[in-house]
Order: sequence, then structure tokens, then C-alpha cells
Amino acid sequence: SQQGEEDPQALSIQEGENATMNCSYKTSINNLQWYRQNSGRGLVHLILIRSNEREKHSGRLRVTLDTSKKSSSLLITASRAADTASYFCATEQVTFGTGTRLTIIP
Amino acid sequence: DSGVTQTPKHLITATGQRVTLRCSPRSGDLSVYWYQQSLDQGLQFLIQYYNGEERAKGNILERFSAQQFPDLHSELNLSSLELGDSALYFCASSFPRGGHGANVLTFGAGSRLTVL
Repeated sequence: SQQGEEDPQALSIQEGENATMNCSYKTSINNLQWYRQNSGRGLVHLILIRSNEREKHSGRLRVTLDTSKKSSSLLITASRAADTASYFCATEQVTFGTGTRLTIIP
Repeated sequence: DSGVTQTPKHLITATGQRVTLRCSPRSGDLSVYWYQQSLDQGLQFLIQYYNGEERAKGNILERFSAQQFPDLHSELNLSSLELGDSALYFCASSFPRGGHGANVLTFGAGSRLTVL
């Protein structure tokens, strides 16, 4: 399966701190995506990184990809209350794991 | 508004019944995906259609079936419903790109099914 698995399952941090979550996968990929889900809502695409890229930025988001370790990380800098959500990674087969539930404490 | 429309938003029914969930993909998207999300769980991939044809199948129960029509809208049929089928059902669409292209999904708001 090319399903990504997110880690940790849950993360709580103070507003303003940085949040890092990780994703591991099992097979070779061409790209990896990160999505956010606010409670009870549909997922929203955040960022895509291709297998020939090591790092990508989008606003306060920074994604890294290490194909040798079959892992990716998502860093959210200067977190805000509105970042409270679940975050999922997905390979090109767009199957999802259980996500990382991020809670930002005001 | 993501451009993916799901109806109904909420549905309450009884065990043993049958329901149909409907999805209209974003304009121009050819692929439709269905996912099931139970309380506090990840998204379980059910099935994918591309331009009317079944493209990939996940852990979809035999009691469930789906199809994509010529106008590209899709329906997910759930029959002989059980309590455990209570969940959020999401539809997503994409314009698939061949080769090493990425399937970036646009999700609908979901249909919340409650089986009593």
C-alpha cells in the first residue's frame, strides 16, 4: 500500500510555536501531498512536493521530503488558533492515514 | 465552496435501509473518489471512477456500490445499512494527469449518515 502514515497522532502546542508532523510511506513515489481537515469538513489541499524536490515552502508551511527514508515532514511556523485541524499526507494513490490532530492553545 | 457538491448534507435512516449519496465533481474534473470517515478515524478509500469507468477499488463493502454517469456526477449506494455504517462520506474530484502528474483532490463538504 502507498498509504502515508502520520506521526504523532496528536499534538498540542502554544500559539506562536512551530508545529512539526511527520509522514512515512512504504513504496517509491513520484509526489507527496499534505491536506488539512477542519473538524467535520472536507480535506483541503495544502502543498505538493515532487520526488525530485527536497524542500518546499508555501507561506508558513514548509515541507521536506527524504525519499531515501521514505518520509516527509510538515512544519507550520508561528502557529495560530486557526491552524487547529487534522493534517494528512497522501502519496499519488491518494489514500490517507489517520492523520495528526493538531491543537493550538491560545 | 470547493466546487464539489454533495447531497444530502445529513441523512438519518434505520438499519436495513438503503440510501444514495450524490456527488457532482468540480467543473472539468474527470475523476471522482469516495471516502468513508467514521468518528475520529482516518479516511477510508472506497472507490474511484474516471470518466465513467471504475479506476480503483479500496475497502468497499459488497453492500455498497457506486457509479459515475455520463455527465460525470457520481452516486454511492449503501444498502442493508448497519449501525457501523454511520459515518461521514466524502466525495473528491480531480483532473488526473498522466505519467508523473499528481492527482490533487478537491473535496466536497461530505454527507453525514446516521443509521439508527
